[in-house]
Order: sequence, then C-alpha cells, then structure tokens
Amino acid sequence: DAMVIQNPRYQVTQFGKPVTLSCSQTLNHNVMYWYQQKSSQAPKLLFHYYDKDFNNEADTPDNFQSRRPNTSFCFLDIRSPGLGDAAMYLCATSMASDPGGQPQHFGDGTRLSIL
Amino acid sequence: QQQVKQSPQSLIVQKGGISIINCAYENTAFDYFPWYQQFPGKGPALLIAIRPDVSEKKEGRFTISFNKSAKQFSLHIMDSQPGDSATYFCAASINSGNTPLVFGKGTRLSVIA
Repeated sequence: DAMVIQNPRYQVTQFGKPVTLSCSQTLNHNVMYWYQQKSSQAPKLLFHYYDKDFNNEADTPDNFQSRRPNTSFCFLDIRSPGLGDAAMYLCATSMASDPGGQPQHFGDGTRLSIL
Repeated sequence: QQQVKQSPQSLIVQKGGISIINCAYENTAFDYFPWYQQFPGKGPALLIAIRPDVSEKKEGRFTISFNKSAKQFSLHIMDSQPGDSATYFCAASINSGNTPLVFGKGTRLSVIA
C-alpha cells in the first residue's frame, strides 16, 4: 500500500563521503519534493520538481543536488556531507492541476547520520 | 510574509479533553490550509485541509476553524485520545495547493490518561 517509498530508511555515512537517497512513488504525481527535517523542527523544503522542471530553494546549499530520471523516481545527492547535514530527509509528491492541486503525500523518510 | 506562525509549541491534554492548536498567516494569497500529523520516525500524514471559501470543516473528531478576516486558522481535536499524541503541523500554500507548502513550526501534543 506504500505510495511514497524512501530507501534506505537509515543511512550512515562518513564526513565528506557522497551519499544518495532515493524516493519512488506509485501515485503518478507530477510534483516531487525533497525536505530536510531536523529534530523538533518543521520540514524545510530543499527543492522540488514540477514534471522535469527543477526548482531550487534559494537557501539550499550547493552541496545538495537532485535528479528525477522519470515520473516515479527522484534522488537526493549530498556531495560532501557535513555534520550539520545529519537529519531526516523526507520525500513528498503531489498532483498539481487546474483548478486545484492535490495534497502532498510524504514518505517515511531516510534518517541520515554522519560519522 | 511567507511565514505561518503556530502555537503553542507543546500541549498537554487530558484524555477526553479538547486539543486546540492555532496558526496565523500574513500572506493573503494563501488559499489552501492543511494540517499534518507526524508520529516519531514517520513522515507527516495529511489530517484535514480547508480552503478559504468555508469557515469550518469537520472530519470525525478533527475540526478546522478558519477566520479569513483575522488570517487565522485552528485545529480542534475533540475527545482527545492517547493515540493522538504526535506532532501537528499547520501549513499554507497558494494557487489552491499547486505550490510548495509553507509549514508552521509544529506543536507537540501529549494526551495523558
């Protein structure tokens, strides 16, 4: 029944070692989002794809990159993780449409730890 | 102007009581207001949402009250249960949900027996 699937659920990497987080969806939604959530904080939007159009938030560090090879998959690449990048990373999807969009559906996240 | 201010930061309610969480916004272009519920180790899940053409929406024990002139909306949880203990986020977006959500900072609700 899972509609937004994130892998892995837990990821441990070393300081400075590149890491890739993945997200897949079975909803055929045209928008996919990546959020960073630190403990006791709200999700912080990093970027989103509207179909293949990439939209980066102004304050997202260059260290964070994303790829969306097709409708179903989206990847978050952290090129050189620092200790401050330890967080839960959430993927979400929605269907943008006229007259109104559909709610965002979140995956259960990947908990990233940096050694 | 893009902020959504949420209060209280934490809330303790007796089982069977009413939990009330409030949010306020400035951007009058916001036209979609969802509430998300998040349990530890899980992603946020949509609880209930409202658009500004109505002042109240009820789904089971959960009610959103919306005051357009005051630019405020609130979540009421009636007959609160220990299973409702979670973090609740209000959010807002423009263009009827076709743009990214702006989240409040969250309220940690504890319902005690």
